Amino acid sequence: GDSVTQMEGPVTLSEEAFLTINCTYTATGYPSLFWYVQYPGEGLQLLLKATKADDKGSNKGFEATYRKETTSFHLEKGSVQVSDSAVYFCGENSGGSNYKLTFGKGTLLTVNP
Amino acid sequence: DGGITQSPKYLFRKEGQNVTLSCEQNLNHDAMYWYRQDPGQGLRLIYYSQIVNDFQKGDIAEGYSVSREKKESFPLTVTSAQKNPTAFYLCASSIRDSSNYGYTFGSGTRLTVV
Repeated sequence: GDSVTQMEGPVTLSEEAFLTINCTYTATGYPSLFWYVQYPGEGLQLLLKATKADDKGSNKGFEATYRKETTSFHLEKGSVQVSDSAVYFCGENSGGSNYKLTFGKGTLLTVNP
Repeated sequence: DGGITQSPKYLFRKEGQNVTLSCEQNLNHDAMYWYRQDPGQGLRLIYYSQIVNDFQKGDIAEGYSVSREKKESFPLTVTSAQKNPTAFYLCASSIRDSSNYGYTFGSGTRLTVV
């Protein structure tokens, strides 16, 4: 079945550092791609998405570009803040008959002041 | 405001007991999902339902049961057959074709066996 692979955490950065969290997927065709964020003790919130190749999703300073040629959707932020400390999940949805979203295992980000 | 509500936030279960976790949504979403989250294991799908009165097993359905009698509600029962139920449980919902829109998640229920 389809799978999503994200870089293993934990990732620890200093405030204002550049962030990259890698994500690759195996689905064929043109799945929709998502990044979710989970703050401690809470559910997941949609951070950004892209639904076709070369689209760039962006929100709250985070960006990710849908790269069909490398089957990737890496999350980036130019200057992280302490408040960005959370777990980040990459996901893909190929549509089809079951509409299920496949998630990566999550990457824990800790930003120190 | 529309959303998805899980209750209770914290739940304690004694050995051998069944417990039911509530999930209610007022988003008019057709599909609903239950996930289990353990440290370092990401999200694992327990059950999902795309329409009222129908549901399918996910990857780890053993020891769990669900019902979908109303569009708004998708309760999860953790039975005594589930040997290691301590975990964080997340409910989600989506329109039937979620491929462009993703899921909306509840805030979770933390279940602990005492």
